[in-house]
Amino acid sequence: DQQVKQNSPSLSVQEGRISILNCDYTNSMFDYFLWYKKYPAEGPTFLISISSIKDKNEDGRFTVFLNKSAKHLSLHIVPSQPGDSAVYFCAASEQTGANNLFFGTGTRLTVIP
Amino acid sequence: DSGVTQTPKHLITATGQRVTLRCSPRSGDLSVYWYQQSLDQGLQFLIQYYNGEERAKGNILERFSAQQFPDLHSELNLSSLELGDSALYFCASSVRLSGANVLTFGAGSRLTVL
Repeated sequence: DQQVKQNSPSLSVQEGRISILNCDYTNSMFDYFLWYKKYPAEGPTFLISISSIKDKNEDGRFTVFLNKSAKHLSLHIVPSQPGDSAVYFCAASEQTGANNLFFGTGTRLTVIP
Repeated sequence: DSGVTQTPKHLITATGQRVTLRCSPRSGDLSVYWYQQSLDQGLQFLIQYYNGEERAKGNILERFSAQQFPDLHSELNLSSLELGDSALYFCASSVRLSGANVLTFGAGSRLTVL
């Protein structure tokens, strides 16, 4: 049962425009949400996180929005750059001692120069 | 460089065989997490160790086992391999950042079962 879902397998955006990546979840016990970026032949690297008690967190060009009532979060990248082309994974952690992350299936972002 | 080291990077083997994947977490990190990424799938949590003890188990098959040694490196053993076990296997260690448990991943071990 996939608790974290990314329904768009791919997204193409022009350089300089906004990229919006979406993620939905089903488990209301998730307390933190994270975004990771993955380049080919590398492991996922952490981008940004948000606590379930907040609705927005910003770090430079990256902003994550959380809508708890809709169980939906999104990652905004503004402006998009060709180096942002990668697979983006949404992840979430539960309020338990294990703290392992549940991942979505990823969205491949292509930023066109 | 994430500081998490995984070997081997690539491994090709045959069905029915047994392989061992190795992971060294970042210096000082006590946790090791193992994840599997099959084609076009997200990362599936397999198992977590903390300071040598198993902490949590995910969707890990009975044919798979893991351990963490006193020097904190970990090994994931995959036996009676099947074609469907072909995947990327990642290990990670963790750090708290602003309350979130952030996993830092190694570059992965790509297993191909023929």
